[in-house]
Amino acid sequence: KAGVTQTPRYLIKTRGQQVTLSCSPISGHRSVSWYQQTPGQGLQFLFEYFSETQRNKGNFPGRFSGRQFSNSRSEMNVSTLELGDSALYLCASMSWDARVERHNEQFFGPGTRLTVL
Amino acid sequence: AQTVTQSQPEMSVQEAETVTLSCTYDTSENNYYLFWYKQPPSRQMILVIRQEAYKQQNATENRFSVNFQKAAKSFSLKISDSQLGDTAMYFCAFMNRPQGETSGSRLTFGEGTQLTVNP
Repeated sequence: KAGVTQTPRYLIKTRGQQVTLSCSPISGHRSVSWYQQTPGQGLQFLFEYFSETQRNKGNFPGRFSGRQFSNSRSEMNVSTLELGDSALYLCASMSWDARVERHNEQFFGPGTRLTVL
Repeated sequence: AQTVTQSQPEMSVQEAETVTLSCTYDTSENNYYLFWYKQPPSRQMILVIRQEAYKQQNATENRFSVNFQKAAKSFSLKISDSQLGDTAMYFCAFMNRPQGETSGSRLTFGEGTQLTVNP
């Protein structure tokens, strides 16, 4: 079974621009979560989507938004980029089905490295 | 809110020896999961081991085992027979046990411990 995929792997943007990152979960996984990783703040939770609904949100400004499609693929959008948004953005998918081995475990994608200049 | 603390920013160990990484957490919840993730230089986050809070038996996965002390809110990782490929950043993480499809899930991570295995 294919793992979590994220595109693009690398992005360079300038301040004020906006960016969209994409995440395709493991087949059958309905939960997709996003995390931001920076040297200063470590790993921080952004939000979680389940069945196209955001059901959990971290403490990030409204410039960070996301959505999930009917096939469980998720996108994350950051508007009006700031230098501090430079980070590795990780996506993780999880199965809620108790019949699935290793359900309630989050499997991570390789990440998207965003650099804001 | 939950917090996870890893007090050892860096550790090193000789190949084939044993090393223990420490983690403490704080929560008022009773049903939760604890995880250790490994992040090598590739930055790919890999799950090493998982512990369910309601299980008293410590989890083991090959060379990896945990010492889970629920009352003390402690969750340490022991790596036996360390290998060069174990060199990575290790993160301890907490997640509430989801209560049905309507409850959210999120991982709360510690600061990480950079482990270096020396030949």
